[in-house]
Amino acid sequence: DSGVTQTPKHLITATGQRVTLRCSPRSGDLSVYWYQQSLDQGLQFLIQYYNGEERAKGNILERFSAQQFPDLHSELNLSSLELGDSALYFCASSSGTEQETQYFGPGTRLLVL
Amino acid sequence: GENVEQHPSTLSVQEGDSAVIKCTYSDSASNYFPWYKQELGKGPQLIIDIRSNVGEKKDQRIAVTLNKTAKHFSLHITETQPEDSAVYFCAASKRAGKSTFGDGTTLTVKP
Repeated sequence: DSGVTQTPKHLITATGQRVTLRCSPRSGDLSVYWYQQSLDQGLQFLIQYYNGEERAKGNILERFSAQQFPDLHSELNLSSLELGDSALYFCASSSGTEQETQYFGPGTRLLVL
Repeated sequence: GENVEQHPSTLSVQEGDSAVIKCTYSDSASNYFPWYKQELGKGPQLIIDIRSNVGEKKDQRIAVTLNKTAKHFSLHITETQPEDSAVYFCAASKRAGKSTFGDGTTLTVKP
């Protein structure tokens, strides 16, 4: 158990809908990272937040947005969903902003029908 | 941007043999190289990492080597066991946060 929690574990929705994925980092960690893992593209870095502020941005679509709240939990919002958005979405956390161990949560499996 | 290539995509070995997974990266400024193990139904877990000021690092049966000149790094697992079966990912980064991952290697250790 990494100490990172993600909810929900599974999510089934329809095209065009909007969903919110939630992540709680390990106690004391200030950085949260979001990744997308699909069968044909491996692990793709989406975005990082540090202590409530956006720190780094990867291949995140404009239809996707994220935020980190004062209690340090983070949410990833996915809107206007398409079939291709079906994937595993992982959240990871680390203590700061340096290159350090990232602890991954168990992921949210999203299926868009 | 950074590009990380990982080989092989699948690897099958007999229990007790060694396994080697190789990654190459494109950005010479990358200076942090972690390796992750992902078991079925779970998130990736860091197993070892290396920074650019070090050429080799070992942790029991696992070792990582880095060749900065050639821009490649490798994961070595010795005396493999069935529980080593998983998907392994390499990654490279040059600044905090933004890591680029390889496409993964599915390792199968046959008893």
